[in-house]
Amino acid sequence: GAVVSQHPSRVICKSGTSVKIECRSLDFQATTMFWYRQFPKQSLMLMATSNEGSKATYEQGVEKDKFLINHASLTLSTLTVTSAHPEDSSFYICSAGLQSGGYTFGSGTRLTVV
Amino acid sequence: AQSVTQLDSQVPVFEEAPVELRCNYSSSVSVYLFWYVQYPNQGLQLLLKYLSGSTLVESINGFEAEFNKSQTSFHLRKPSVHISDTAEYFCAVSAGGSEKLVFGKGTKLTVNP
Repeated sequence: GAVVSQHPSRVICKSGTSVKIECRSLDFQATTMFWYRQFPKQSLMLMATSNEGSKATYEQGVEKDKFLINHASLTLSTLTVTSAHPEDSSFYICSAGLQSGGYTFGSGTRLTVV
Repeated sequence: AQSVTQLDSQVPVFEEAPVELRCNYSSSVSVYLFWYVQYPNQGLQLLLKYLSGSTLVESINGFEAEFNKSQTSFHLRKPSVHISDTAEYFCAVSAGGSEKLVFGKGTKLTVNP
């Protein structure tokens, strides 16, 4: 139980275009979703916390206009990287908080901007 | 706010040797503690967690961790490692499921034959 499905797993886009990453909770309702970014050989850095039906809370230094997060339903949260540039290339992972106190993670999206 | 320190960035060991990956945390509130494993180009897999109750928690593949409140530690141990245990291990802390999970920098465990 408590599975989060993240798509796509890999995406290559041209510089200047936008990319949308989806995370769906398959068998539970995700009230809170977290979006992380991971650079090669580094740890996960929290980008933002989103609660269903309200605006996301961004961590310091994360551009909210560049990384658009939508959490319109209890089963879907999306991250859109707008006007992507090569420096946005990274591994993006979503996570949902569980009522039990734990977390479940998506399988990640490898974004490459060329 | 919570923070996590993983003291060792890399830990090389030989197969069948014991291993300990160290994790210390700081928090002003009660915490939940986690260990995650990440294989190359994959997402995170939960290894084990401490939410409450027994301070010694175990995983199905032989890892264990002990929550030590006085030392603010949650070290991960395995008495005998396998080649397949080679991966990146992340310690993480949160104040609860609706609160953000804060990760340590990770420890790369390399098991050599």
